[in-house]
Amino acid sequence: AQSVSQHNHHVILSEAASLELGCNYSYGGTVNLFWYVQYPGQHLQLLLKYFSGDPLVKGIKGFEAEFIKSKFSFNLRKPSVQWSDTAEYFCAVKAPDAGNMLTFGGGTRLMVKP
Amino acid sequence: ETGVTQSPTHLIKTRGQQVTLRCSSQSGHNTVSWYQQALGQGPQFIFQYYREEENGRGNFPPRFSGLQFPNYSSELNVNALELDDSALYLCASSQSGSRWNEQFFGPGTRLTVL
Repeated sequence: AQSVSQHNHHVILSEAASLELGCNYSYGGTVNLFWYVQYPGQHLQLLLKYFSGDPLVKGIKGFEAEFIKSKFSFNLRKPSVQWSDTAEYFCAVKAPDAGNMLTFGGGTRLMVKP
Repeated sequence: ETGVTQSPTHLIKTRGQQVTLRCSSQSGHNTVSWYQQALGQGPQFIFQYYREEENGRGNFPPRFSGLQFPNYSSELNVNALELDDSALYLCASSQSGSRWNEQFFGPGTRLTVL
C-alpha cells in the first residue's frame, strides 16, 4: 500500500519569502501525484497534478512542483508567497490500479505574515 | 465552489447512534468517493461508488456503509458510532473514464460524537 509523508507540519513565512513544502511517498510502481490546498473555511481544491511527462509541473496561483522519481518526492514550491496563501496544503498519491483512491499526507499548515 | 454539495454541515451524535450523511455530485460526474479527515490529519479514503455499487474500499470497518442513487448522489452511513468517528467527512465526485479523473471535493460534514 502507498503512504505519503509531509515533513513540515507547520510553516510560518513572511510575505515575499520563497516556499518549499516537502512530500515523499512510498510506492513501488507508477503513481499519479497531486497537491491540494484547503483555505480557511473552504473545501479542498486541486493546486496541481502530475501524471506523466515533464517532471516540473505548474499549477494555479504561481505554484509548481517537481517530481523526482529517484527520491520518491514531489515537493511544492512558490517563489514568493502572499498573505492569501495562508492555508493547509496536502500532498496526495494515486496508484493507477487504485481507482479513485487518493492517499493523502498529513498536511502542512502554512501561515504567511503580512 | 465545485458543485459538490454535502448535508448537513454539522452534526452532533452520541456514542452508539447511527448517522447518515449526504452528497450531491457535480453535474456530469458518475463516481463518488468518501473520505474521513480527523482533526490535524489528512483525509483517509473510506470507499468509492460507481454505477450504484461500491467500487473500492479503504481500511474502514463494515459499520461504514454507503449507497449511490441513479442520479449519482450518495449517502454515507455509520452505525454504532464511536468517539473516534468524530471527524470531517468529505465527499468527492469525478467522471470515471476521463483522462485526468480529477476529483472535486465538497465542503464536508463535521460530525461530533459525544
